[in-house]
Amino acid sequence: EIVMTQSPATLSVSPGDTATLSCRASQSIGRDLAWYQQKPGQAPRLLIFDAFTRATDTPARFRGSGSGTEFTLTISSLQSEDFAIYHCQQYNVWPYTFGQGMELEVK
Amino acid sequence: EVQLVESGGGWVQPGRSLRLSCKGSGFVFADYPMSWFRQAPGKGLECVAFIGLKDGDVTTQYAASVKGRFSISRDDSKSIAYLQLNSLKSEDTGVYYCARDDFGDGFDIWGQGTVVTVSS
Repeated sequence: EIVMTQSPATLSVSPGDTATLSCRASQSIGRDLAWYQQKPGQAPRLLIFDAFTRATDTPARFRGSGSGTEFTLTISSLQSEDFAIYHCQQYNVWPYTFGQGMELEVK
Repeated sequence: EVQLVESGGGWVQPGRSLRLSCKGSGFVFADYPMSWFRQAPGKGLECVAFIGLKDGDVTTQYAASVKGRFSISRDDSKSIAYLQLNSLKSEDTGVYYCARDDFGDGFDIWGQGTVVTVSS
């Protein structure tokens, strides 16, 4: 199965700054990558699909990039509601697999 | 409003069974593949089962960790997807979510989750 690795595990950033989250796939997945945001006690929410396409209602400050094995989620001008856990997921080949999750916390 | 609502979770002893349900509303349920995910306490997400569309032989897929024990099905007349959990183990404990597969555009609609606790 494809192993997804997110780094770092925890990222401390100040409100208003930019956060850069990384996700690596153990083999090429083209652009079959999604990013999800999850807050405590809530279900994941789709932010980005196809590596860079924003889902409905995803603010423009969220930008996805990358292809193949290296992917990045950049969040600009961090708002208080952006501090959460972020998951990357590949859906190129079954089993669809997730990274271990990355917590974005207030610095 | 487009939504999914899971039910059927609870506490169960190891070796026993449980059936989870996922009811969709606000969209044509039959037009979308569906999947079940789970999240163990403090852990990441795992996709455990997938079911395609019911046009002829319906496609199903399972994670290695549940293959042979879990079974996914769907009743489009009721807009419900099911996950039958058999021979449950303590490591099956977690929150189980269903989600709509938007045809290669990620999983765009998620239910609120139902908690399964396997313990003696």
